Amino acid sequence: EPEVTQTPSHQVTQMGQEVILRCVPISNHLYFYWYRQILGQKVEFLVSFYNNEISEKSEIFDDQFSVERPDGSNFTLKIRSTKLEDSAMYFCASSKRRGGGNEQFFGPGTRLTVL
Amino acid sequence: AQTVTQSQPEMSVQEAETVTLSCTYDTSESDYYLFWYKQPPSRQMILVIRQEAYKQQNATENRFSVNFQKAAKSFSLKISDSQLGDAAMYFCAYRSAYTSGAGSYQLTFGKGTKLSVIP
Repeated sequence: EPEVTQTPSHQVTQMGQEVILRCVPISNHLYFYWYRQILGQKVEFLVSFYNNEISEKSEIFDDQFSVERPDGSNFTLKIRSTKLEDSAMYFCASSKRRGGGNEQFFGPGTRLTVL
Repeated sequence: AQTVTQSQPEMSVQEAETVTLSCTYDTSESDYYLFWYKQPPSRQMILVIRQEAYKQQNATENRFSVNFQKAAKSFSLKISDSQLGDAAMYFCAYRSAYTSGAGSYQLTFGKGTKLSVIP
C-alpha cells in the first residue's frame, strides 16, 4: 500500500543553521501538508500546498519557513535559521482530494533537534 | 477557532476488554468532520475512523466505534475486544467542512491519549 515517506528520520542542527526536511507524498495525491508536534504538545498545522502554491498557512509559518515541490515527487519544508523552539517532530501529509472528509495520509515524521 | 480536548493523557485496558477514549471539541460551525487517528510507536499516524457531523448515525469500523454527541460536542472512541496491536497514541481531530478561497481543510488535533494494552 502506498505510504508517505519522510527523510531524515532525525535531524540534529545548530541554532541559526538552515534545515530542509523532505517528504515524498503518495504519487497520485494533489494536496500536501506540514504539521509539527513539540514534545508534550498538540500536533499543529503549519501549511498546506496545492497546485504549486501555498493554499493556507498558520501563524507559526512565518518568514523563516518555506515549502517547495522541486520536482514531481518531493515536497520540502525549509527552515532558514533554526531556533531552539523549532525542535519538534515534523509530519508531512498528503491527500488525494480537497473535501473535508477526505483522509490525510501521514508520514512517520522527522524529529528535528536544534542545539 | 476550533479546539479539541482529550482529557485522558494515558489509558490502559486488559486484552480482550473494551475501552473508551474521550474527546470533546469546540466549534461554532454546524458542518464538520471528526477523526480518530492511531499512531503506533515509531510509526505514522493512520486513520481509524471518521464521522461526518451532519450524520446522526455513529460511525463503526470493525472493533472501533464512536459515540458522537453533537449537542454536547463530544466524540468518544470505543475499542472492543482490545488487542495488543491496539497499543498506540490516539489522536482526536477536527476538520471544517467549509473553506475560503482554495481552502486547505487543515486538521486540528487534541493532545492525544496513550493507550496501553495489558496481556
